[in-house]
Amino acid sequence: DAKTTQPPSMDCAEGRAANLPCNHSTISGNEYVYWYRQIHSQGPQYIIHGLKNNETNEMASLIITEDRKSSTLILPHATLRDTAVYYCIVRRDNTDKLIFGTGTRLQVFP
Amino acid sequence: DSGVTQTPKHLITATGQRVTLRCSPRSGDLSVYWYQQSLDQGLQFLIQYYNGEERAKGNILERFSAQQFPDLHSELNLSSLELGDSALYFCASSPTVSYGYTFGSGTRLTVV
Repeated sequence: DAKTTQPPSMDCAEGRAANLPCNHSTISGNEYVYWYRQIHSQGPQYIIHGLKNNETNEMASLIITEDRKSSTLILPHATLRDTAVYYCIVRRDNTDKLIFGTGTRLQVFP
Repeated sequence: DSGVTQTPKHLITATGQRVTLRCSPRSGDLSVYWYQQSLDQGLQFLIQYYNGEERAKGNILERFSAQQFPDLHSELNLSSLELGDSALYFCASSPTVSYGYTFGSGTRLTVV
């Protein structure tokens, strides 16, 4: 599995956009980029995933660079409930395991 | 409710003992994954089963074993428990032809 690199922590003001970067420079052509988050000690929660096109859902947007070596997760209007550890993961297909790195601890402040 | 059910939610046991953690995947999901998360540590992948067969193995100790039954539920057996085995144990399931994992709420194991 390709490795990912994320900043260990970030802060964001409530109501502002949170932009979480991820570097995956060794990603293979058939690997997807997935984002998960873990709030306190709860089970990780799926956010979004993509292959090469930008994706948007009700939770977030995913921007993948044209060379696919990096991506950015965007939470458009962060709330206090978005405080969590965010994980960027690359994965081949849906039968493949997810390998979690250390993630980015996002702190949303009032 | 994520649809993945883990029991028990909490478990306290003594060193040297053996415990069994249970996971019921979402209806129709064929893959089950087990993860360990020690205090302030990341999620460590332990093992994956797909339709009853072991598919991938991660950092799983020899004292630990798992299986997936014909009804697709899975059990993680931890034996000769040590203090360092105290952790959250998560189970996740995923379908074959759709995206994403779904995690259960975890079993918090405390070894005293």
